Amino acid sequence: GENVEQHPSTLSVQEGDSAVIKCTYSDSASNYFPWYKQELGKRPQLIIDIRSNVGEKKDQRIAVTLNKTAKHFSLHITETQPEDSAVYFCAASITSSNYKLTFGKGTLLTVNP
Amino acid sequence: GAVVSQHPSWVICKSGTSVKIECRSLDFQATTMFWYRQFPKQSLMLMATSNEGSKATYEQGVEKDKFLINHASLTLSTLTVTSAHPEDSSFYICSARANPGQASTEAFFGQGTRLTVV
Repeated sequence: GENVEQHPSTLSVQEGDSAVIKCTYSDSASNYFPWYKQELGKRPQLIIDIRSNVGEKKDQRIAVTLNKTAKHFSLHITETQPEDSAVYFCAASITSSNYKLTFGKGTLLTVNP
Repeated sequence: GAVVSQHPSWVICKSGTSVKIECRSLDFQATTMFWYRQFPKQSLMLMATSNEGSKATYEQGVEKDKFLINHASLTLSTLTVTSAHPEDSSFYICSARANPGQASTEAFFGQGTRLTVV
């Protein structure tokens, strides 16, 4: 089955700096890669996603890049703000298999004011 | 976005009793729902895939007789934790997609259920 590795497990940055979280996946058939933000005790919220036919996607301060050959994808957050502090999860899925998501272990991002 | 509602949001039960958790898609039909378990400071681990009108598909290591899943309608899936024990205490979250046939791939999550077994 699919295995998703996520690094780092914790990340602390100063407000205004950029944050980068990296994930690798094992199943070359995976073709959908969402990123979720989860605050303590809350449900995961989708912040951005990318399909395998695209190399990069951007939404305001958030961007995701995908390297299919190397089987890795990254989340980039620019101009970080304290409200960006949360746990971020990457995930991988095969769209033909009901979009079953395999999650990375998460990154606790702390943005210091 | 689409709304998935999970109930209850928290429950405390005695060891040996059973607990039922409901997951509803409020404004869309979901032929497939997913049940995850999340221990403190850990990731979401898929327990099972709930299929409307058929048996659920369980992930390796998940006991189907302990975690009973019923997906009797296109808007409701239930997870029953039978004979709960303290080690079953966890955060249980369901998710659903709006329509498998559409281009949208976003999975919508319920708000989760914090189960504490004492």
